[in-house]
Amino acid sequence: DVKVTQSSRYLVKRTGEKVFLECVQDMDHENMFWYRQDPGLGLRLIYFSYDVKMKEKGDIPEGYSVSREKKERFSLILESASTNQTSMYLCATIDRKNNEQFFGPGTRLTVL
Amino acid sequence: AQSVTQPDIHITVSEGASLELRCNYSYGATPYLFWYVQSPGQGLQLLLKYFSGDTLVQGIKGFEAEFKRSQSSFNLRKPSVHWSDAAEYFCAVGAVGNEKLTFGTGTRLTIIP
Repeated sequence: DVKVTQSSRYLVKRTGEKVFLECVQDMDHENMFWYRQDPGLGLRLIYFSYDVKMKEKGDIPEGYSVSREKKERFSLILESASTNQTSMYLCATIDRKNNEQFFGPGTRLTVL
Repeated sequence: AQSVTQPDIHITVSEGASLELRCNYSYGATPYLFWYVQSPGQGLQLLLKYFSGDTLVQGIKGFEAEFKRSQSSFNLRKPSVHWSDAAEYFCAVGAVGNEKLTFGTGTRLTIIP
């Protein structure tokens, strides 16, 4: 089974802090994704990585950056956290043979 | 651009009753279609998917969905719901050669005794 793990289930940070959300997958998949999930808005793609050191902006990249130094690890960075970044963050990887995405359990981030 | 509409934000059904969750998509070519379920506090789990072939797709937990090209729909059904089906359900659309999925806004399902 594909396993996608996220470093924290819950995180509380203060406005202006630099925040790192980590995601690790164990299936050697090339593509990884970061989404944020908000009530009534569904999942929105923040960033997408298709290989080590390769990234592509999603629909809502403002205020975020990403890092992919190793194939199994994809990090989401909030350079200066703001209260409007309080949300659930979901990491996913994809089996390119069938386009099926596999999700981590999510990190619920609260920015005070 | 591809898009997905889930017109029902919240649905309440009685345990043992049948269920249908609606999903309409917009995409120029033949889509890949997915239904995911998210239990409270969890990530998303794949229920079923459609790529091609038989338009009635069977999934896990007794769910099925039917692809209707003429209606651009991919509705999810279950003949008899269980209390454990209470969750949020997301429909998603993708395409050949495009790894990015577009998700609907979700339908929250509540089960009453």
